[in-house]
Amino acid sequence: AQTVTQSQPEMSVQEAETVTLSCTYDTSESDYYLFWYKQPPSRQMILVIRQEAYKQQNATENRFSVNFQKAAKSFSLKISDSQLGDAAMYFCAYRSASGWSTSGTYKYIFGTGTRLKVLA
Amino acid sequence: ETGVTQTPRHLVMGMTNKKSLKCEQHLGHNAMYWYKQSAKKPLELMFVYNFKEQTENNSVPSRFSPECPNSSHLFLHLHTLQPEDSALYLCASSQDWQGYNEQFFGPGTRLTVL
Repeated sequence: AQTVTQSQPEMSVQEAETVTLSCTYDTSESDYYLFWYKQPPSRQMILVIRQEAYKQQNATENRFSVNFQKAAKSFSLKISDSQLGDAAMYFCAYRSASGWSTSGTYKYIFGTGTRLKVLA
Repeated sequence: ETGVTQTPRHLVMGMTNKKSLKCEQHLGHNAMYWYKQSAKKPLELMFVYNFKEQTENNSVPSRFSPECPNSSHLFLHLHTLQPEDSALYLCASSQDWQGYNEQFFGPGTRLTVL
């Protein structure tokens, strides 16, 4: 079974600085997708960035980028020029690419989350 | 706000009550999910529906009863709950054809069982 581990329950970053959130996962599959979701306080969870395992190039979305190390099964999120609005819980998630033929849907596996505080 | 809504946003109920949570998605997705979010624990997948058919029941106690009358609506019927069932219940949807698709989440229902 796949697992996702976020070893940092809480992180702090000074406004305008850069912070990296860690995520490791375990799987025997070769084809899968990885996601970072953001859950601001009392607000809906939204997708920050996603990565296809077959792509070697790291995904980037404005100030957010990932460091995807497939062999090490590591998927960290880097937030540059941190802003007060970045304060939230961040969840790393894994999704198999091969679930369709069996259950008809894909299962998403989430980590325990990292609470990011941004200091003014 | 995304295209997934949930009602009520907050619910307090006694252990003998019966209540229902409602989720509606306006995104034309085929798959809908119920998750339980408790402090310091990973999101726990409870149920998955694909085109109204239940495809996953993640060993959820029978005091939780899902219902999916169509691809846009998902309910979670609650009865004789326990205090440990207090949590944030999240609904999500996705367009789960082959190829990756992200999940879109609702705002959640904060449930407190007394």
